[in-house]
Amino acid sequence: EIVLTQSPGTLSLSPGERATLSCRASQSVSGSHLAWYQQKPGQAPRLLISGASSRATGIPDRFSGRGSGTDFTLTISRLEPEDFAVYYCQQYGSSPYTFGQGTKLEIK
Amino acid sequence: QVQLQESGPGLVKPSETLSLTCTVSSGFISTSYWSWIRQPPGKGLEWIGYMSYSGITNYNPSLKSRVTISVDTSKNQFSLKLSSVTAADTAVYYCARGASSWFSWGQGTLVTVSS
Repeated sequence: EIVLTQSPGTLSLSPGERATLSCRASQSVSGSHLAWYQQKPGQAPRLLISGASSRATGIPDRFSGRGSGTDFTLTISRLEPEDFAVYYCQQYGSSPYTFGQGTKLEIK
Repeated sequence: QVQLQESGPGLVKPSETLSLTCTVSSGFISTSYWSWIRQPPGKGLEWIGYMSYSGITNYNPSLKSRVTISVDTSKNQFSLKLSSVTAADTAVYYCARGASSWFSWGQGTLVTVSS
């Protein structure tokens, strides 16, 4: 089973700033099959990125993903108030599919 | 745009079987794979498993001995059964469209395991 470790656990930033979230895998993620999700309290997760770098339908271009192998990054170029949430990475390169523990992005 | 809605008991007794149903908007059930994912209160996400409309299944090994996912195309529904539940199975259960990454989700339903 691939273990995903996200860092930092909590990120405190202000609107307008740039956010960089990290996801490291315990072994290489096959085919760069890595996704990122945003989750707000009381809501289902929202798919942001799949295939490590492809934005899902309707996702603003301030969200970008990159990486391969064991190291992946989600970048939010300029934070909007609605971006403050918990972010999860998820690998689907090998079963069982696994999630990171999440990064909480909070307003500074 | 597909819509999904979970339904089922919100309270299950320990050692019993948790049963949930996900109703899918008309026309989609026979076109995809269908998954269940859960999230204990205040914790992270755990993939449970998926089933295709044609019967292909894949379950998380950590739950495999207790899980059954089934699809009923005539009712536009798919279901989750989790047997021998304990308090550790208390979670919000989400249904979602797709096998391995999920764009469309239900809103989730909280299932509490308690006597």
